[in-house]
Amino acid sequence: DAGVIQSPRHEVTEMGQEVTLRCKPISGHNSLFWYRQTMMRGLELLIYFNNNVPIDDSGMPEDRFSAKMPNASFSTLKIQPSEPRDSAVYFCASSSNRASQETQYFGPGTRLLVL
Amino acid sequence: GQNIDQPTEMTATEGAIVQINCTYQTSGFNGLFWYQQHAGEAPTFLSYNVLDGLEEKGRFSSFLSRSKGYSYLLLKELQMKDSASYLCAVKDGAGKSTFGDGTTLTVKP
Repeated sequence: DAGVIQSPRHEVTEMGQEVTLRCKPISGHNSLFWYRQTMMRGLELLIYFNNNVPIDDSGMPEDRFSAKMPNASFSTLKIQPSEPRDSAVYFCASSSNRASQETQYFGPGTRLLVL
Repeated sequence: GQNIDQPTEMTATEGAIVQINCTYQTSGFNGLFWYQQHAGEAPTFLSYNVLDGLEEKGRFSSFLSRSKGYSYLLLKELQMKDSASYLCAVKDGAGKSTFGDGTTLTVKP
């Protein structure tokens, strides 16, 4: 299996621009998680989906952030408009809640820099 | 909500043993995970505990006491490549996992 796939791996954009991050979970996994990691705040859960349905989006910072999961093999995290404080590494992770322990497998992350 | 505490930094010597502690307060408990994260890389799974006791996996072991809200990760025969951040994560009853801020371990020769 290729593991969790994220694109792009790096993104540099200017304040005010729209940013779209993409994730393909591991085939067969039915839970998907979006995290943000910074030095100041550590690893924060933004939102997670179970069977393509958003379960908990309490970690989404504000209305500028939105996430979708149109099918079991694809999810997007969109920031519009982007701000310099959004600069971080964004990880997507997937797991299977059919497994006893539901280990989360992380993608390589998208390193976002907003100028 | 959930609160997870672990030391910010630790230093140990190659070949030694180190114990990284994690305490948590959670509403509902459905398991505790330890992840390893090397600089510039994604977290990778190390261990999972849901029942009290010790789980051993090679050089790494993880312990859980649910009544005390306490876990530790034990690393034996330390190697230079073990220098990384170690993240404690607790899953609540609703299936949501909250991560601690991580402990940065530096292994010195």
